[in-house]
Amino acid sequence: DSGVTQTPKHLITATGQRVTLRCSPRSGDLSVYWYQQSLDQGLQFLIQYYNGEERAKGNILERFSAQQFPDLHSELNLSSLELGDSALYFCASSVEARSFDTGELFFGEGSRLTVL
Amino acid sequence: KNQVEQSPQSLIILEGKNCTLQCNYTVSPFSNLRWYKQDTGRGPVSLTIMTFSENTKSNGRYTATLDADTKQSSLHITASQLSDSASYICVVRSQHDYKLSFGAGTTVTVRA
Repeated sequence: DSGVTQTPKHLITATGQRVTLRCSPRSGDLSVYWYQQSLDQGLQFLIQYYNGEERAKGNILERFSAQQFPDLHSELNLSSLELGDSALYFCASSVEARSFDTGELFFGEGSRLTVL
Repeated sequence: KNQVEQSPQSLIILEGKNCTLQCNYTVSPFSNLRWYKQDTGRGPVSLTIMTFSENTKSNGRYTATLDADTKQSSLHITASQLSDSASYICVVRSQHDYKLSFGAGTTVTVRA
């Protein structure tokens, strides 16, 4: 158990709909990352938050947005869903203390999104 | 162009055999390199971390090497087991901005 919790584990929805994925980081971790993994593909970095602020942005579509709340949990919002958005969405957390942090990411078990 | 390239993309080996995965990177300046194991449908888990001063590090049947001069790392799996079937991902951290660069992964299939 990595200590990172993601909900829901599975989600089936229709094209055009909107969904919200939730992530609770490990206790004490300030940084949250979101990744998308399509079938048989590598992990694609979407976005990173650190202590409530957006720190880095990757290949995140404009239809997608995220935020990190004061209690450090994060939500990834996916709207106007398309068939191609079907994927595993992983959340990861890290200490992100820079000076002594080795950069290890602790991943949740993922949320599997199926768009029909 | 991806700053971390892994090879091969996939491989199949018989149980009990050894295999070696490669990771070449261009990330500079280099902070560390980490190998993750990702079981199908699960989140990746760190296997080992290599820093600039380390050449070899073992974690059970997994041995990682690093050549910081040529910017290459390898992950050797000894006496493979069925449970080694997974994707192995190389992640390199920049010392400049602490950004993480991911390789696409190598999928290993171990057959009985």
